[in-house]
Amino acid sequence: SQELEQSPQSLIVQEGKNLTINCTSSKTLYGLYWYKQKYGEGLIFLMMLQKGGEEKSHEKITAKLDEKKQQSSLHITASQPSHAGIYLCGADSGGYQKVTFGTGTKLQVIP
Amino acid sequence: DTEVTQTPKHLVMGMTNKKSLKCEQHMGHRAMYWYKQKAKKPPELMFVYSYEKLSINESVPSRFSPECPNSSLLNLHLHALQPEDSALYLCASSHSGAGVTDTQYFGPGTRLTVL
Repeated sequence: SQELEQSPQSLIVQEGKNLTINCTSSKTLYGLYWYKQKYGEGLIFLMMLQKGGEEKSHEKITAKLDEKKQQSSLHITASQPSHAGIYLCGADSGGYQKVTFGTGTKLQVIP
Repeated sequence: DTEVTQTPKHLVMGMTNKKSLKCEQHMGHRAMYWYKQKAKKPPELMFVYSYEKLSINESVPSRFSPECPNSSLLNLHLHALQPEDSALYLCASSHSGAGVTDTQYFGPGTRLTVL
């Protein structure tokens, strides 16, 4: 089965600083999703990547999928308190409607 | 509009109770999902409905019984639960059905406590 490891597990940054979260898969990624979750709430969809080398941006968040399609990174520029939460990567298990989620990264942004 | 709604927001039940969780979407999505999430863990898939038919059951105990009355509604019937079933239950939906993985949009969840 596919496993997704995220690093770091938790991150505390000063407001305005940049940060990067990584997601590494044990198998080739057919589709990679990034979600954000506030504690005890639902997941908010951020971005989906499918092609090796693909990069997408939304506001101050950029996600990339490496050429070999086994690792993705999420980069936040000029972090704000509103970016705080748990970031989860999720992997498409090859078209069987099953998404496996990573271990999660907890982000705190200090004003 | 990518809204998935879930009711109730919180639920406390005893081990002998019968209760139901409800999920609704009006985006015309053909697949709907139930996930269970324990504290500090990622969501774990329980069931998938595609075109109103159960397509995936991740070996979930029979005390959890899903139901899809129509393409917009998904229920999860609960009976004789155990305290270890206490968790956040998340519903999601996606546009594509029939074995195609597509972006899943999540509801806010139901926080379930079993006493």
